Amino acid sequence: RKEVEQDPGPFNVPEGATVAFNCTYSNSASQSFFWYRQDCRKEPKLLMSVYSSGNEDGRFTAQLNRASQYISLLIRDSKLSDSATYLCVVPGGGNKLTFGTGTQLKVEL
Amino acid sequence: EPEVTQTPSHQVTQMGQEVILRCVPISNHLYFYWYRQILGQKVEFLVSFYNNEISEKSEIFDDQFSVERPDGSNFTLKIRSTKLEDSAMYFCASSSLQGEDTEAFFGQGTRLTVV
Repeated sequence: RKEVEQDPGPFNVPEGATVAFNCTYSNSASQSFFWYRQDCRKEPKLLMSVYSSGNEDGRFTAQLNRASQYISLLIRDSKLSDSATYLCVVPGGGNKLTFGTGTQLKVEL
Repeated sequence: EPEVTQTPSHQVTQMGQEVILRCVPISNHLYFYWYRQILGQKVEFLVSFYNNEISEKSEIFDDQFSVERPDGSNFTLKIRSTKLEDSAMYFCASSSLQGEDTEAFFGQGTRLTVV
């Protein structure tokens, strides 16, 4: 299994839709995880942290399944401004972050 | 809101030339990093730096690369003899703490084009 694996997409969804992304990771010792958002040719920005079973912030919900080693991100009521690439990130030892390739989301009218 | 700043935003250099990419981390942060992202590919870790020394580096970070904190505010990445395959976006990041749950803040990146 790759260190961090994501479906690259693109996911094309209409405004208002609910969309979910999955990410699998190989290091079973990892305790915390991140979802970052990256707009085209911009820097990654932290969207959510996931430490235990899950985390919710407004329209965004992140869930963690340790037994299956996957993390999911659910976006409800998607907006045009949600269009971006969503990066699954797994910390390694010494603060090193391992990034997935990202899942591209396009929200359309 | 404090932020990581990088200069220049875009650098074009000839193959074989040396380049220095500059970063000013967030002022009270102690841990500094460089990552790179080749166009269309994932963000890759290069090096982490703490207490004036490298704490971890990836296999990408070979002898052509070096990092330095020349003063209390700047953090630089030097590539001694650039290759075409060094063309990428280089992101500097910093964090206040060490640990898996610590957020890293990224600068806006320097796009390096080697011709």
